[in-house]
Amino acid sequence: RKEVEQDPGPFNVPEGATVAFNCTYSNSASQSFFWYRQDCRKEPKLLMSVYSSGNEDGRFTAQLNRASQYISLLIRDSKLSDSATYLCVVNMNNQGGKLIFGQGTELSVKP
Amino acid sequence: DVKVTQSSRYLVKRTGEKVFLECVQDMDHENMFWYRQDPGLGLRLIYFSYDVKMKEKGDIPEGYSVSREKKERFSLILESASTNQTSMYLCASSFPGTTEAFFGQGTRLTVV
Repeated sequence: RKEVEQDPGPFNVPEGATVAFNCTYSNSASQSFFWYRQDCRKEPKLLMSVYSSGNEDGRFTAQLNRASQYISLLIRDSKLSDSATYLCVVNMNNQGGKLIFGQGTELSVKP
Repeated sequence: DVKVTQSSRYLVKRTGEKVFLECVQDMDHENMFWYRQDPGLGLRLIYFSYDVKMKEKGDIPEGYSVSREKKERFSLILESASTNQTSMYLCASSFPGTTEAFFGQGTRLTVV
């Protein structure tokens, strides 16, 4: 079983749609969590951290459920510019800060 | 402006060659990482280092080694390149703990 698993997609949605990505992790010792965004032929960049209480940044909302070992990202009012691959990331702080990535979920927002 | 720099964007090597991929960061980060990225498989961790001369195997270390003689530089070595090592290689660095990792632009390595 992979340490971090995501639905690879692709998700094809119209502009203005709400889309949700899910991610599960297998190691209960995982200590911090992130969503990264990767544009085509570019390097990954941090989109947002995920906090236990859930957090929001504009149209983006991240949630963490430690009991179920589950992370989610919700994008409201999708824009064309949201088209990218979204990567779920787990930081193993108790292993020196090892970062484990999910395989990514591809999003394509259409006009 | 923070920076992680990988020495080459594109590289073509022959089977059996020894290949060095270099990565330098200017943020005084303790942690540095090497990943490879392949379609459908995402980013897979090859090795990471949490301090000078310290290294930890990731998920797919076979066929690779690393060197971290200075804090700012982390090198990935393919001892004898094989065609199944054709991939995009990404270097990253971060402070330990709950902080952002920064990536280099990647090296697309083709082994022929």
